[in-house]
Amino acid sequence: GIQVEQSPPDLILQEGANSTLRCNFSDSVNNLQWFHQNPWGQLINLFYIPSGTKQNGRLSATTVATERYSLLYISSSQTTDSGVYFCAVGVGAGGTSYGKLTFGQGTILTVHP
Amino acid sequence: DTGVSQDPRHKITKRGQNVTFRCDPISEHNRLYWYRQTLGQGPEFLTYFQNEAQLEKSRLLSDRFSAERPKGSFSTLEIQRTEQGDSAMYLCASSLIGRANYGYTFGSGTRLTVV
Repeated sequence: GIQVEQSPPDLILQEGANSTLRCNFSDSVNNLQWFHQNPWGQLINLFYIPSGTKQNGRLSATTVATERYSLLYISSSQTTDSGVYFCAVGVGAGGTSYGKLTFGQGTILTVHP
Repeated sequence: DTGVSQDPRHKITKRGQNVTFRCDPISEHNRLYWYRQTLGQGPEFLTYFQNEAQLEKSRLLSDRFSAERPKGSFSTLEIQRTEQGDSAMYLCASSLIGRANYGYTFGSGTRLTVV
């Protein structure tokens, strides 16, 4: 099956710093999502981004599908950004995702005040 | 729209007992997914439904696991003869296929502890 690798595994920042999280995947995908799992375990969808660039406030994401990687940028980090960030990918055909997502191991982000 | 609801939030059961979890997806969503997450790992896919049809099951889903989605609304996940290795967070998600954004919405999960 498809392999998903995230880096770095752990990241510690001071509040206000910027960071870049990376997701590499081993095969062509037509579904890529970034999630934030907060310290209470809730998974929040940040982006659906199988290709291109999107921005939402202090967060942005870029997926270069031809090179099989995606980047999540966090600017001016806040303590509430702490948690685990997951990249998840899916394959399909004819523009339709088969539904199953394969998750990476995650990046644990800790933001200190 | 109240999001994806899962019940119960926590379940402690003795080894060998059967347990059943419920998931209520976002009402307009036609796809529903079950995942399992253990400590320090990313969620692992178990199964998913489109409307009432179960379209894919993971090899992780042994014969002791069964999922249903009657009438394409809520779903149940049953584990028979629980084992200690079944202890995990069971996550449900839903999405709307057919729209440009296939983003998942996850519920808060059911944490199962088998003693």
